[in-house]
Amino acid sequence: AQTIHQWPVAEIKAVGSPLSLGCTIKGKSSPNLYWYWQATGGTLQQLFYSITVGQVESVVQLNLSASRPKDDQFILSTEKLLLSHSGFYLCAWSLWGAEQYFGPGTRLTVL
Amino acid sequence: AQSVTQPDARVTVSEGASLQLRCKYSYFGTPYLFWYVQYPRQGLQLLLKYYPGDPVVQGVNGFEAEFSKSNSSFHLRKASVHWSDWAVYFCAVTSGGNYKPTFGKGTSLVVHP
Repeated sequence: AQTIHQWPVAEIKAVGSPLSLGCTIKGKSSPNLYWYWQATGGTLQQLFYSITVGQVESVVQLNLSASRPKDDQFILSTEKLLLSHSGFYLCAWSLWGAEQYFGPGTRLTVL
Repeated sequence: AQSVTQPDARVTVSEGASLQLRCKYSYFGTPYLFWYVQYPRQGLQLLLKYYPGDPVVQGVNGFEAEFSKSNSSFHLRKASVHWSDWAVYFCAVTSGGNYKPTFGKGTSLVVHP
């Protein structure tokens, strides 16, 4: 069975500090991978997607970047956090761009 | 452009009552439609999915949804709500090979005893 793991579970960071969030999918070969940001109040915003190793497409510009160094790994990062980066970050996977399966999320608080 | 509208930000029902959560979509082409549920402090879970075919689809925990092309709708229903259904429900539209699905803003379901 496929599993999706996100790390860390939660982070408290200072404005201006760097950030790296990770996502790993096990049990699925060559999945499509996605990063979402969810603000307090619940609206989902897709940030990035990747359909193959080494290729990442940006959906919105929020001073974040993403990379896919391995088939089963998706990394979200920034060198300088803003207050507006606070929220809930969700990783998801799919096959052929249809239904998505989400990870448990990482809660980020920027102070 | 594709869009999803969930007109009710919050729905309150009594336990045991029936439920309908509304979803209207706009999509150029053949839509695939989904309902997801999010419990507090968790990720989204797929509740049910519609691919072109039978307009009524069954999901987990007694949920079902009906696709209507004429009304551009994909409403979620449940005959008898349980307190454990208290969560936020998201409707989404995409299609095969489309890597940018569109989600609605979500409907918060509150269940009273």
